[in-house]
Amino acid sequence: KNEVEQSPQNLTAQEGEFITINCSYSVGISALHWLQQHPGGGIVSLFMLSSGKKKHGRLIATINIQEKHSSLHITASHPRDSAVYICAVGRETSGSRLTFGEGTQLTVNP
Amino acid sequence: EPEVTQTPSHQVTQMGQEVILRCVPISNHLYFYWYRQILGQKVEFLVSFYNNEISEKSEIFDDQFSVERPDGSNFTLKIRSTKLEDSAMYFCASRRQASATEAFFGQGTRLTVV
Repeated sequence: KNEVEQSPQNLTAQEGEFITINCSYSVGISALHWLQQHPGGGIVSLFMLSSGKKKHGRLIATINIQEKHSSLHITASHPRDSAVYICAVGRETSGSRLTFGEGTQLTVNP
Repeated sequence: EPEVTQTPSHQVTQMGQEVILRCVPISNHLYFYWYRQILGQKVEFLVSFYNNEISEKSEIFDDQFSVERPDGSNFTLKIRSTKLEDSAMYFCASRRQASATEAFFGQGTRLTVV
């Protein structure tokens, strides 16, 4: 079983829709990262969080440490949000490396 | 905004050849990483580097791989004798501290072994 599980694997939405991507993990973590991977392959950090909630523009990330669960929300989605969204965790017991989920392919249609 | 830069963006090499992938991490960062992503798969950890030595490595990082920080700015990944299964996107990343800090990724080097 993967230590970091994301759902859904694929998500198609219409422009303007509210989107939620979920991440569950099974290990103790120091922090959880949400990353965006563009079609060309580059990876950009969106959020790093260890508790509560963070917001940046139309993106909101939440984490529930007790339930080992995080969500990434996109409000008023736009075709330019189309990308792979990846959840990654820094484990408490494995130094500073990140362990990645499989990613969620998001397609937002106009 | 500071960024991690990787060169080359694409590399095609013959099986058995040595390749060196180069990275320039963000200048005040102390922790450096190589990750790889085989096409269609998730990103996997290869190695972390701190204080001029390897701090952690995965089972993928065998004797064919080595890392170096030769001049205080560049951070390189060498694959001594490439295999077909080394074909992947290789990402360099850096962080200011070990944990609870954001990870910054380069744009990746797409390595194709033929």
